[in-house]
Amino acid sequence: AQTVTQSQPEMSVQEAETVTLSCTYDTSESDYYLFWYKQPPSRQMILVIRQEAYKQQNATENRFSVNFQKAAKSFSLKISDSQLGDAAMYFCAYRSPGGSQGNLIFGKGTKLSVKP
Amino acid sequence: NAGVTQTPKFRILKIGQSMTLQCTQDMNHNYMYWYRQDPGMGLKLIYYSVGAGITDKGEVPNGYNVSRSTTEDFPLRLELAAPSQTSVYFCASSYLGRSYEQYFGPGTRLTVT
Repeated sequence: AQTVTQSQPEMSVQEAETVTLSCTYDTSESDYYLFWYKQPPSRQMILVIRQEAYKQQNATENRFSVNFQKAAKSFSLKISDSQLGDAAMYFCAYRSPGGSQGNLIFGKGTKLSVKP
Repeated sequence: NAGVTQTPKFRILKIGQSMTLQCTQDMNHNYMYWYRQDPGMGLKLIYYSVGAGITDKGEVPNGYNVSRSTTEDFPLRLELAAPSQTSVYFCASSYLGRSYEQYFGPGTRLTVT
């Protein structure tokens, strides 16, 4: 079974600085999808960025980028120019390709605080 | 376009009571999911559906039931509520596509006392 591990329960960053959140996963599959979701205090789950395992190029979305290391099964999220609105829980998630289930497997999350 | 909607937003149940959490999506997605999120944890899958009339258990199905009579609706039924079911419940949907992005509802906070 696939597992997702986020080893940093809490992180803190100064406004305008850069922070990296770590995520590792365990799988025997060669094709899969990885996601980072943001959960602010409102509880809404917001997709931040996704990465297809078959793509070697790291995904980027504005100030958010990932460092995808397939051999190491590592998927870290880098937030550049941190803003107060980035403060939230961040969840790393894994999804198998195709198949009949298609659910996401989540890590326990990292709580990010942004200091003004 | 409302996306995924859930009702109610909050609910307090007494032990042994029953209730139904409603979930509706207007994106014509075939896949729908129910997750629960316990404090300090990620989301865990309760039940899922790949289309109307087709449902199956996820990781933590005990104490819950689902049905899917239409593409849009995927209600979650709690029978004989227990304190262990105190959690935040999320409904999500996606379509069978390459990106498999899941869209989440706003969640229902349920307390069983």
